[in-house]
Amino acid sequence: GDSVTQMEGPVTLSEEAFLTINCTYTATGYPSLFWYVQYPGEGLQLLLKATKADDKGSNKGFEATYRKETTSFHLEKGSVQVSDSAVYFCALSDEGYGNKLVFGAGTILRVKS
Amino acid sequence: EAGVAQSPRYKIIEKRQSVAFWCNPISGHATLYWYQQILGQGPKLLIQFQNNGVVDDSQLPKDRFSAERLKGVDSTLKIQPAKLEDSAVYLCASSRSTNEKLFFGSGTQLSVL
Repeated sequence: GDSVTQMEGPVTLSEEAFLTINCTYTATGYPSLFWYVQYPGEGLQLLLKATKADDKGSNKGFEATYRKETTSFHLEKGSVQVSDSAVYFCALSDEGYGNKLVFGAGTILRVKS
Repeated sequence: EAGVAQSPRYKIIEKRQSVAFWCNPISGHATLYWYQQILGQGPKLLIQFQNNGVVDDSQLPKDRFSAERLKGVDSTLKIQPAKLEDSAVYLCASSRSTNEKLFFGSGTQLSVL
């Protein structure tokens, strides 16, 4: 079945550091790919998405590019802030299945001032 | 716009007891989902409703879990009897339709002792 693998955390960075969280996926079809973020005490929120190969999703300074050849969707941000501290989930949804999401295990990000 | 409401926020029970969770989706959202998030893992879909009908319950342990969405609005998820491995956060999400953005509630954290 479909699956998503994320780099293990926690990832601890200093403010203004560059962030990369790796995500790879296995799917039989052509899935849509997502990054969700969960801030402390809050529900999951969609951060960005990409629906086809070579698409780049972006939001709040975060970016991720859909790489079909490497089955990857790595999350990047050029300069993190303390307020970015959260749990980040990579997820996929098979084409035609709407929002039936398959999530990775999540990566905790801690940003120190 | 009010978000997805869930209650209770926390619940502690002993194994073999029963428990119920409640979800009130965003007004007008036809699709409702229940996810189970075990510590250290990503959320896993348990059941998906479209209005008051079940679209997918393939990952719901039907011997102990049940869910309903009477009148196509609020939903309840029940576990009877609970097992230790049911300790998790139970997330409710809703969307206008199956191909639109999901909005998640803050979840109910269940501890089974």
